[in-house]
Amino acid sequence: GAGVSQSPRYKVAKRGQDVALRCDPISGHVSLFWYQQALGQGPEFLTYFQNEAQLDKSGLPSDRFFAERPEGSVSTLKIQRTQQEDSAVYLCASSHTDRVNYGYTFGSGTRLTVV
Amino acid sequence: AQKITQTQPGMFVQEKEAVTLDCTYDTSDPSYGLFWYKQPSSGEMIFLIYQGSYDQQNATEGRYSLNFQKARKSANLVISASQLGDSAMYFCAMREGQGTYKYIFGTGTRLKVLA
Repeated sequence: GAGVSQSPRYKVAKRGQDVALRCDPISGHVSLFWYQQALGQGPEFLTYFQNEAQLDKSGLPSDRFFAERPEGSVSTLKIQRTQQEDSAVYLCASSHTDRVNYGYTFGSGTRLTVV
Repeated sequence: AQKITQTQPGMFVQEKEAVTLDCTYDTSDPSYGLFWYKQPSSGEMIFLIYQGSYDQQNATEGRYSLNFQKARKSANLVISASQLGDSAMYFCAMREGQGTYKYIFGTGTRLKVLA
């Protein structure tokens, strides 16, 4: 597609519920990133994929967070047993590996609200 | 310590005027990249401009220019001839080191352009 597509756009989850957030990167983009943006803050890095390989997951806040990109295109961020502190906008971004200085293309994000 | 500092939570500018958004950074790595992103109310982060630490000249992209003062560790964004559509959150970000991919974002500045 023309841009990075994320779904759902909004998600309300009851505390303790599992959620799955989807990211469709730009076709052909090798690199894929997940960021978490709390209200009033800048985005914070969660994890990075190069094709299907998850090269860095140092930003995942706990073992309740899990991300995958099994075929090197679509990625899913899963959060188990959601807590109120997980409420945030989750942004996905993609890029050509060799165009890192041109910036990443971000999606519009999924706003997760845990009640 | 904050790696990226944006001290202006909010700014107003009159349409057609120029505005400067401040950003200071902190790193001991001689190789780094500085980025500015725009985040409209729709949520996606839009890449505006990039400055490499070894670049001799200030970056420019259309109405956007980056006032890079390396010794002062500042990378201010200048928007000339402001338009109503420039109203958005603006984030300064840094990538440290060669071949890195993680952004460190500031907390952002909300710009409102007045008609």
